[in-house]
Amino acid sequence: GENVEQHPSTLSVQEGDSAVIKCTYSDSASNYFPWYKQELGKGPQLIIDIRSNVGEKKDQRIAVTLNKTAKHFSLHITETQPEDSAVYFCALYTQAGTALIFGKGTTLSVSS
Amino acid sequence: GAVVSQHPSRVICKSGTSVKIECRSLDFQATTMFWYRQFPKQSLMLMATSNEGSKATYEQGVEKDKFLINHASLTLSTLTVTSAHPEDSSFYICSAAQGSNQPQHFGDGTRLSIL
Repeated sequence: GENVEQHPSTLSVQEGDSAVIKCTYSDSASNYFPWYKQELGKGPQLIIDIRSNVGEKKDQRIAVTLNKTAKHFSLHITETQPEDSAVYFCALYTQAGTALIFGKGTTLSVSS
Repeated sequence: GAVVSQHPSRVICKSGTSVKIECRSLDFQATTMFWYRQFPKQSLMLMATSNEGSKATYEQGVEKDKFLINHASLTLSTLTVTSAHPEDSSFYICSAAQGSNQPQHFGDGTRLSIL
């Protein structure tokens, strides 16, 4: 079945640095790849997503890149700020497109 | 846009009580709603998927008689934890989507504590 692996599990950066989180998946039929940010005590918030017909998508300081051949997609956060500190989850849909499979999450800490 | 409201945000109750959690999509029609459970420092675990007007589909190991799901309209789904016990204490989160392979938008979760 579908599987998604997320690395690293924790990431600490200095304010202003860039952060990169990577996910690899097994099912080549996957075609939708969202990233979620979860702050303590809250639900996940969709921050960016990408479909398989494009290789990169950007929204201000956040970008997602997709390599379908290698079956991995990455979240890039530039000019990190303390408020970027949170747990980030990658996800993808099952083959039927009916349920999301989540990575195990990355705890990002941005220190000022 | 794409706001999902979940209530209540926090419930503390005695063992044996049944607890109902509501999930509403405020500005879009959700053909599919999802219920997740999340343990501390872990990822989200899908419990069940519900389509409006249909019976929910439960994931393996989730007791359907324990976790009753109703999706009576395109904007409302409810999860009832029946006869709750301390082991049911957890963070329950709902999400909603407009269809297959569409973005899922999440509520802010319900922290359930059973004494």
